[in-house]
Amino acid sequence: NAGVMQNPRHLVRRRGQEARLRCSPMKGHSHVYWYRQLPEEGLKFMVYLQKENIIDESGMPKERFSAEFPKEGPSILRIQQVVRGDSAAYFCASSRTGTGGSASTDTQYFGPGTRLTVL
Amino acid sequence: EDKVVQSPLSLVVHEGDTVTLNCSYEVTNFRSLLWYKQEKKAPTFLFMLTSSGIEKKSGRLSSILDKKELFSILNITATQTGDSAVYLCAVQGGGSQGNLIFGKGTKLSVKP
Repeated sequence: NAGVMQNPRHLVRRRGQEARLRCSPMKGHSHVYWYRQLPEEGLKFMVYLQKENIIDESGMPKERFSAEFPKEGPSILRIQQVVRGDSAAYFCASSRTGTGGSASTDTQYFGPGTRLTVL
Repeated sequence: EDKVVQSPLSLVVHEGDTVTLNCSYEVTNFRSLLWYKQEKKAPTFLFMLTSSGIEKKSGRLSSILDKKELFSILNITATQTGDSAVYLCAVQGGGSQGNLIFGKGTKLSVKP
């Protein structure tokens, strides 16, 4: 059973370009979460999605950031017009159920992350 | 504001030592507390705790939760160099749906 897959693992962008980060959840998981980890900081929640629905985007910056999880294909985190402050590691996690499931089944499993560097 | 605080922030021990990592939290609507181990890439899941006083154990690692005092500890006995990593504590709860609130982590270095 493959784990959570993220690509690319490393992404370099110049200021003003767009960054697209992809996440494929574990098999059988229909809930996806995106987190950002800044240097020397803990992981910070950004957005929680189910297929075709954004459940909670309270951690997402209001501008330039968007996320989707289409019916087919991976979840995408899109950052438009990147700035140097967007440089960070972006982690995706998935779970079998969300808050409606039992505690044992809504454990979040993490992917290897995408390290974004903005020049 | 919901918060999770881990201590110490870093720790250096020698192989064979026993270590205790601490995690305290102030989170509304507490649902569960999770421990992860992060080496250079993905945080890997260690334990999920939901009930007070019930120890979870996996090999040399064990963890327990105290919901009255709002903390958890992670113990590692007979440490090995392969235990060197950042250990993350996260709490599920708060005002949002399903997201994890993370502490900053404890960086453990085990020297031969």
